[in-house]
Amino acid sequence: SQQGEEDPQALSIQEGENATMNCSYKTSINNLQWYRQNSGRGLVHLILIRSNEREKHSGRLRVTLDTSKKSSSLLITASRAADTASYFCATDHLSGAGSYQLTFGKGTKLSVIP
Amino acid sequence: GAVVSQHPSRVICKSGTSVKIECRSLDFQATTMFWYRQFPKQSLMLMATSNEGSKATYEQGVEKDKFLINHASLTLSTLTVTSAHPEDSSFYICSAPGTAFNGYTFGSGTRLTVV
Repeated sequence: SQQGEEDPQALSIQEGENATMNCSYKTSINNLQWYRQNSGRGLVHLILIRSNEREKHSGRLRVTLDTSKKSSSLLITASRAADTASYFCATDHLSGAGSYQLTFGKGTKLSVIP
Repeated sequence: GAVVSQHPSRVICKSGTSVKIECRSLDFQATTMFWYRQFPKQSLMLMATSNEGSKATYEQGVEKDKFLINHASLTLSTLTVTSAHPEDSSFYICSAPGTAFNGYTFGSGTRLTVV
């Protein structure tokens, strides 16, 4: 499966600042999702944006999607130390076998310094 | 919301032995379960898709005979790593498809260490 690219690979910011992470992908998608992973743990679904949507908000999260550029961004506003984690974008798309599956980007490791 | 229970969370085994990882959907029926592997500081790579009542679909490069997948019921999928070797040491995570709005539900992962 092809993975997307995310940048930056690592991001370190001060508490209260905003964090922006970008994701690019290669295939046509049904939707794009963002997940968070604390070290050594499972993934937590943050937000889903469908292919016909351009922007979505959820609390301090803002996601944009540009299907013409095959890219998405995740903005976390007013960051907190508890936001420290790895963030992955994942595209939900049809596989070669004709079923839907998730393909993950490489992730951004966010560190929020108190 | 939908919950997928995965266990064990950690397992250490000797080289050459087999390890079984279970994923259960607790409050919903999962006809499909996805199995991923994640090496340190890397992303998740899809290994296979298990389907209740039929054979699993494996991604290219994943050995079917080494990673045995069984989807015995609508609430249970298992991954057995057979004849484990140190290079199989990794973090294994399962997930089940969610709704059109909620994304996929992931298990908490299993840290496998083969010594």
